[in-house]
Amino acid sequence: QKEVEQNSGPLSVPEGAIASLNCTYSDRGSQSFFWYRQYSGKSPELIMSIYSNGDKEDGRFTAQLNKASQYVSLLIRDSQPSDSATYLCAVNQAGTALIFGKGTTLSVSS
Amino acid sequence: EAQVTQNPRYLITVTGKKLTVTCSQNMNHEYMSWYRQDPGLGLRQIYYSMNVEVTDKGDVPEGYKVSRKEKRNFPLILESPSPNQTSLYFCASSLYSGGAGEQYFGPGTRLTVT
Repeated sequence: QKEVEQNSGPLSVPEGAIASLNCTYSDRGSQSFFWYRQYSGKSPELIMSIYSNGDKEDGRFTAQLNKASQYVSLLIRDSQPSDSATYLCAVNQAGTALIFGKGTTLSVSS
Repeated sequence: EAQVTQNPRYLITVTGKKLTVTCSQNMNHEYMSWYRQDPGLGLRQIYYSMNVEVTDKGDVPEGYKVSRKEKRNFPLILESPSPNQTSLYFCASSLYSGGAGEQYFGPGTRLTVT
């Protein structure tokens, strides 16, 4: 069973701090990786995708991928209360499905 | 506006009464999928479709049916709903037939089966 693991949290950070969210996956053949943000009662919203080793930056968000360690992370700089949500890591499996982690809940306090 | 729509958004029904949840996308996406989300279990895939007339089971297909007669529509059918199908359901679509690309989600359907 291919798995995607995330720390459920909650992860609490003060406003303006860096939030670091982590994800590991079991399928070494995985090729594409995604971070979704989900507010309570709402649908998941894609915020980052990453396909190759290294860092990818988009505004306050940076995704990091290390395929050798089977590890994906998301950094949120200058965290805002509006970033408080559940963050889902998703990994493409065999090109036919996304496998989601159970999510990490982030709480940003003002 | 590019979007995935689902109807109904909320549904309360009784055990055994057949129901259909519709899903439609206007982005000409090849791939469509249904998920259910339950507390502590996360998002789990029910069925997916890589193209018209091509559907396949996900991780939790029991008790569900789907069809893909048109590219834009992917309805989820519960022939005989049971209380353990009470859940939050999401439809999603992706440009790439393999689902390897980014997936875009509908607003969700909250189903309660009594």
